[in-house]
Amino acid sequence: DARVTQTPRDKVTEMGQEVTMRCQPILGHNTVFWYRQTMMQGLELLAYFRNRAPLDDSGMPKDRFSAEMPDATLATLKIQPSEPRDSAVYFCASGRGGVNTEAFFGQGTRLTVV
Amino acid sequence: GIQVEQSPPDLILQEGANSTLRCNFSDSVNNLQWFHQNPWGQLINLFYIPSGTKQNGRLSATTVATERYSLLYISSSQTTDSGVYFCADEGGYQKVTFGTGTKLQVIP
Repeated sequence: DARVTQTPRDKVTEMGQEVTMRCQPILGHNTVFWYRQTMMQGLELLAYFRNRAPLDDSGMPKDRFSAEMPDATLATLKIQPSEPRDSAVYFCASGRGGVNTEAFFGQGTRLTVV
Repeated sequence: GIQVEQSPPDLILQEGANSTLRCNFSDSVNNLQWFHQNPWGQLINLFYIPSGTKQNGRLSATTVATERYSLLYISSSQTTDSGVYFCADEGGYQKVTFGTGTKLQVIP
């Protein structure tokens, strides 16, 4: 049963701490997306990769966020230092093709920064 | 940037009823998609539909790009259709903008 796996499912951290969220895309998918969902802003596309190369990260605050794909089986989203306003659910999705590919979502990481 | 407006914001249906959800765009439609988020938070990509009509089971979608809108039809609704439906479009430069969603509740 192929699925996108995200870890951790829940994370509570103190302001100023580094947070790393991980995503294992579906095997064979070459496009990976990071989304953020908050009550205030709704759903936002933060970044996406194709063939491990970052194609667009314009939705991501550059000063504290970074997204990488060290290999085809792992995508990471880091926040350093974290702030309370970063509290959100972060979704990873993977697919085949470009930004408009059918994307399969992970269950999300619920981040709470206190 | 592009503005995406969804209507209605909330909808309650009796099981078995049909419904139409609408998505309006402030600019030309490029690469429209529809998503469903179930009550447990799981997101599912429903349709990629930049123009024309597509059907998948009880769901179908139509995009009229020249008129800057898209419609999602749900026929014979079921309780499992409950959740929030989002539309999104890529407004150039690969910038994806989401609507605020339509929250659907299907009651037995």
